[in-house]
Amino acid sequence: AQKVTQAQTEISVVEKEDVTLDCVYETRDTTYYLFWYKQPPSGELVFLIRRNSFDEQNEISGRYSWNFQKSTSSFNFTITASQVVDSAVYFCALSEARAGGTSYGKLTFGQGTILTVHP
Amino acid sequence: DAGVIQSPRHEVTEMGQEVTLRCKPISGHNSLFWYRQTMMRGLELLIYFNNNVPIDDSGMPEDRFSAKMPNASFSTLKIQPSEPRDSAVYFCASSLALGGVSHEQYFGPGTRLTVT
Repeated sequence: AQKVTQAQTEISVVEKEDVTLDCVYETRDTTYYLFWYKQPPSGELVFLIRRNSFDEQNEISGRYSWNFQKSTSSFNFTITASQVVDSAVYFCALSEARAGGTSYGKLTFGQGTILTVHP
Repeated sequence: DAGVIQSPRHEVTEMGQEVTLRCKPISGHNSLFWYRQTMMRGLELLIYFNNNVPIDDSGMPEDRFSAKMPNASFSTLKIQPSEPRDSAVYFCASSLALGGVSHEQYFGPGTRLTVT
């Protein structure tokens, strides 16, 4: 069965600190996709990144970076020089595993990590 | 480009009343998902459609909940009769699912439902 674990329920940092959000996943599929979403206090869920299981290159987008390690089944998210606006709930998600390689796009979400950045 | 559109944004109703939530997915997307989010249970997938066909409704809590997708640009989630424990934020999301590729889901702004 598919599973996504975000062990950190809440993280609190002071502005300008670097922070890493952990995500560990379980799947039997050899081809899968991993995602991160952000839910700010306003409530909407915002897509941040999608990676496929064959691409283990780290990705950087501004202050955000993602570290995908298949060997440890982890897809961690780091915010460098955090800002108050980064305060949100962050969700990691895994694409469904389906026989025959087809997909309907269903995602399994982790429970989320509440990040609070204090000024 | 218009994102996923949900209406109403807020709904307050009395227990026993029928509630209908509406969703317009992003044009060209072929999968649509309904989620419910509460503090206690987090983000729960209720039902999802692919090419307007319901694929999995195992997350629908009980028979009081029903969902339809009459065409590619419209879906409804209905609760009849509503109960206070249905109070939550309901999200609709859409994505493009082709072959073995899972594209990202885009979420609507949500409908905050309060049942008194």
